[in-house]
Amino acid sequence: EADIYQTPRYLVIGTGKKITLECSQTMGHDKMYWYQQDPGMELHLIHYSYGVNSTEKGDLSSESTVSRIRTEHFPLTLESARPSHTSQYLCASSPRLGLAGGPYNEQFFGPGTRLTVL
Amino acid sequence: GDSVTQMEGPVTLSEEAFLTINCTYTATGYPSLFWYVQYPGEGLQLLLKATKADDKGSNKGFEATYRKETTSFHLEKGSVQVSDSAVYFCALSDSGSGGYQKVTFGTGTKLQVIP
Repeated sequence: EADIYQTPRYLVIGTGKKITLECSQTMGHDKMYWYQQDPGMELHLIHYSYGVNSTEKGDLSSESTVSRIRTEHFPLTLESARPSHTSQYLCASSPRLGLAGGPYNEQFFGPGTRLTVL
Repeated sequence: GDSVTQMEGPVTLSEEAFLTINCTYTATGYPSLFWYVQYPGEGLQLLLKATKADDKGSNKGFEATYRKETTSFHLEKGSVQVSDSAVYFCALSDSGSGGYQKVTFGTGTKLQVIP
């Protein structure tokens, strides 16, 4: 079944630790995204990728980094976690549009990782 | 730049009540419009979409009509159920050519339906 997965679902970690949040999709989508969702529910785009070896920063400045070595995999890494990184992190993917200026860009979301940094 | 404004919540309704969640947008060009729903502890999932003016998206009893003249995409449901309790996000995707097409989300509206 085509889907998008995130692990871990919940993570509690101490300040200064390095962590990697995993995101994988089995839909063959070219585009992938990372969002940070604050307690007020608003979504903030922190990273995105057009495809393999493509990564871009989003609207919200983030100390995290991402990589895209394989189409299906888009991990997010925090080199040194801080309490300010405590949040819900959502991964999403979307297919390449067949034609330029296509009609829409539906995104498929994973279940999220809830990160708490003590 | 593009923006989406949706009504603030939380919205609390009794079961079988009529639901409206307002959403207005600003965008250059001809965006596609979406409603996503997020149930507790889960990611977002697409509820419905509309790709051009006057299109009506519908799913699970929810409806929204793309109104270009009022730049609106209000979500409606005739009779809500307790299981509809969730956070609802209005979103748009701009219509730029190829490559990355940015999706802009509203801030979300929390709906609570009580029996």
